[in-house]
Amino acid sequence: EVQLVQSGAEVKKPGESLKISCEGSGYSFTSYWIGWVRQMPGKGLEWMGIIYPGDSDTRYSPSFQGQVTISADKSISTAYLQWSSLKASDTAIYYCVKGSTDWGAFDIWGQGTMVTVSS
Amino acid sequence: SSELTQDPAVSVALGQTVRITCQGDSLRSYYASWYQQKPGQAPVLVIYGKNNRPSGIPDRFSGSSSGNTASLTITGAQAEDEADYYCNSRDSSGDHLVFGGGTKLTVL
Repeated sequence: EVQLVQSGAEVKKPGESLKISCEGSGYSFTSYWIGWVRQMPGKGLEWMGIIYPGDSDTRYSPSFQGQVTISADKSISTAYLQWSSLKASDTAIYYCVKGSTDWGAFDIWGQGTMVTVSS
Repeated sequence: SSELTQDPAVSVALGQTVRITCQGDSLRSYYASWYQQKPGQAPVLVIYGKNNRPSGIPDRFSGSSSGNTASLTITGAQAEDEADYYCNSRDSSGDHLVFGGGTKLTVL
């Protein structure tokens, strides 16, 4: 079964750093793009960026460039999303997504990681 | 603001046909994908490419495109189709992706 399993919910304070993970299984991890999607409370989906684990080619949405870092460790089939200094406005659910053969179509979604940033 | 525009809400009577649209200049060059999201759940891909359904998606879901508008059509809407629907595609640069604002579908 193809699946993406994300790390658990996080509660952090403003200014703290954070790295959340997404482990892929059931498919060739290095052959498909992995992306991250943000959903703020009660809001829509926002594409943050995408990485190709095979060569670490990474693209960021202009809205998130410089705000987060996307990386991947192909040796353990895991992608990461990290922040160096969280803000309250980073409170959201973050989904990792697997790209399909059609670049831009995400055929598998992780279960989501809830990140709460509050003082 | 999103480069893909969707109507915020649409309703359909049970068993009838409904079309949900997504507008954007990039859709003249790229296909849209469509996702269904039910409350408290992760989104699910329902249509991608010209008109492709992933395994397990009922054939009452179909996609089409004309000019700058992509459409998701549900033929014979069921109660379980009540959900939020999002389109996504490349942006006008072609190098990035973008989601539409989402459409809340109510089945009456």
